[in-house]
Amino acid sequence: DAGVTQSPTHLIKTRGQHVTLRCSPISGHKSVSWYQQVLGQGPQFIFQYYEKEERGRGNFPDRFSARQFPNYSSELNVNALLLGDSALYLCASSFGVTRNQPQHFGDGTRLSIL
Amino acid sequence: DAKTTQPNSMESNEEEPVHLPCNHSTISGTDYIHWYRQLPSQGPEYVIHGLTSNVNNRMASLAIAEDRKSSTLILHRATLRDAAVYYCIRNAGGTSYGKLTFGQGTILTVHP
Repeated sequence: DAGVTQSPTHLIKTRGQHVTLRCSPISGHKSVSWYQQVLGQGPQFIFQYYEKEERGRGNFPDRFSARQFPNYSSELNVNALLLGDSALYLCASSFGVTRNQPQHFGDGTRLSIL
Repeated sequence: DAKTTQPNSMESNEEEPVHLPCNHSTISGTDYIHWYRQLPSQGPEYVIHGLTSNVNNRMASLAIAEDRKSSTLILHRATLRDAAVYYCIRNAGGTSYGKLTFGQGTILTVHP
């Protein structure tokens, strides 16, 4: 079975631009979460979506937005890119939203801002 | 915040057992303990989780203290492929579910 897939794998943008990152969850998984991982640190939670509704939001500015589609895939959008947005963006999926369910991560999109 | 405390780094020799400790002294009665690991250039990988009882799976064992204020991830025979950053996370569920709070983790080095 395919795992969580993210696209693109690498992306280079310049300051002020906009970016869209995509995530396809494991088949049957209805929850998608997004994380940002800056070099040398653990991942930081950005958003969680379940059944196409936002269920959680981390401490990120409004430049960050996301949505989940009827097929449970998801997009993360970042506007007005800053140098500090350079990071690995990770998507994770799970079947539901109970605390005993593990999350399964993709290998991320490496975003570089010039 | 869902705080856990782990050593910054640990070392092991190949084919020896590894015990990775985690303190979570403020854990509530319904929080699960999850462990993930992250190999270089990859996303985090789920390892194991538990609530009160010790747990075993094909990857590792999880020993949870009786008072639940600490836990230990046990790799029974370390291999070079086990070299990774290991994260211990409290999963509170409910409205917090989906928000895994990663700390710095423990960098495990495995020597041949």
